[in-house]
Amino acid sequence: EAEVAQSPRYKITEKSQAVAFWCDPISGHATLYWYRQILGQGPELLVQFQDESVVDDSQLPKDRFSAERLKGVDSTLKIQPAELGDSAMYLCASSSRGDQETQYFGPGTRLLVL
Amino acid sequence: QKEVEQNSGPLSVPEGAIASLNCTYSDRGSQSFFWYRQYSGKSPELIMFIYSNGDKEDGRFTAQLNKASQYVSLLIRDSQPSDSATYLCAVYTDKLIFGTGTRLQVFP
Repeated sequence: EAEVAQSPRYKITEKSQAVAFWCDPISGHATLYWYRQILGQGPELLVQFQDESVVDDSQLPKDRFSAERLKGVDSTLKIQPAELGDSAMYLCASSSRGDQETQYFGPGTRLLVL
Repeated sequence: QKEVEQNSGPLSVPEGAIASLNCTYSDRGSQSFFWYRQYSGKSPELIMFIYSNGDKEDGRFTAQLNKASQYVSLLIRDSQPSDSATYLCAVYTDKLIFGTGTRLQVFP
């Protein structure tokens, strides 16, 4: 069964350091999403890509966060510098071109900032 | 502000009982509704979706939608301890908006 891949699964870093997360969507899925989930809350959308283009990054803290999907396949989310409040689960999801509403999540990256 | 509201729980039910999970949403323009199951420390897993008013059944799961009341529910029949998880309601308008989830505990 096709799955969304993410790495690393866990990341511990110190504040002010840079971190990066990688996501490979389900093969053929044109739309890719990065979500952040704080403990006890639901996932919140950070950025949405359609192929290589950003569709929605209104909730991405652009002073420290950046995301790219250069070839329209895999994607990288970067935080620089990391802050204590960035500790959360970072989830990648993907959906097909004809059905953007139905989104499938990867295993997530759990980030702890010390 | 588009909102999706869920009771955080925990909802405790005995094994074999019916678990009923509820969700309300604020945006009347919402067209698609989803239920995700999330085990502790894991990512959300899509278990049901519903687009039209009424009931939709899939195995032990039934999703119910009432657009007039802006209400979505998930029924789990014959609940098992393995159903113990957090259930996230999500509503799609121009993007997917999640509730905070309801924690379900099924005890033997």
